[in-house]
Amino acid sequence: EDQVTQSPEALRLQEGESSSLNCSYTVSGLRGLFWYRQDPGKGPEFLFTLYSAGEEKEKERLKATLTKKESFLHITAPKPEDSATYLCAVPSGTYKYIFGTGTRLKVLA
Amino acid sequence: DADVTQTPRNRITKTGKRIMLECSQTKGHDRMYWYRQDPGLGLRLIYYSFDVKDINKGEISDGYSVSRQAQAKFSLSLESAIPNQTALYFCATSDRTDENQPQHFGDGTRLSIL
Repeated sequence: EDQVTQSPEALRLQEGESSSLNCSYTVSGLRGLFWYRQDPGKGPEFLFTLYSAGEEKEKERLKATLTKKESFLHITAPKPEDSATYLCAVPSGTYKYIFGTGTRLKVLA
Repeated sequence: DADVTQTPRNRITKTGKRIMLECSQTKGHDRMYWYRQDPGLGLRLIYYSFDVKDINKGEISDGYSVSRQAQAKFSLSLESAIPNQTALYFCATSDRTDENQPQHFGDGTRLSIL
């Protein structure tokens, strides 16, 4: 059965303190891995798609990387406005997307 | 304007009431989905639709029904609401021409059933 697991569940960082979020996946035939950002009271907002091991994508202070078993979302010198829940997801079968339960990131000023 | 619009944004109602949540989109996508999100459980699929004549149950469809009124409109109904249906509900869309593209979400409806 396809599965996505995110860790840690929650992370508190000081402003400027870099760290990484993990998304481990088990899926037969990876067809993409998606990262989303979700703010309180809002829907998930698409950030990145990664398709193959070794691929990297960057956006401002965020960089997503992919291996054959997991993806990392690296946050460099985070700011308080980076505080959000970060979700990863993979397509599964012909219609389904498997979502992780997310990492709640809090960046303190 | 948002690409995926959900109404209402918040709703409080009583057990046994019928409730309809509405979703409209301007992305031109054929595929639309309804999810619920609960703390610690992530997003769970309720129903999905690949076009106006195609409606399919997701993993947690009991107690829910849907209607696809047009390519751009997909509504979710709770026929007789119960307290454990209290959750955050999201509508999402995706492009049928590429199954490997991400979904796009509305901002959700926070539903509380007393």
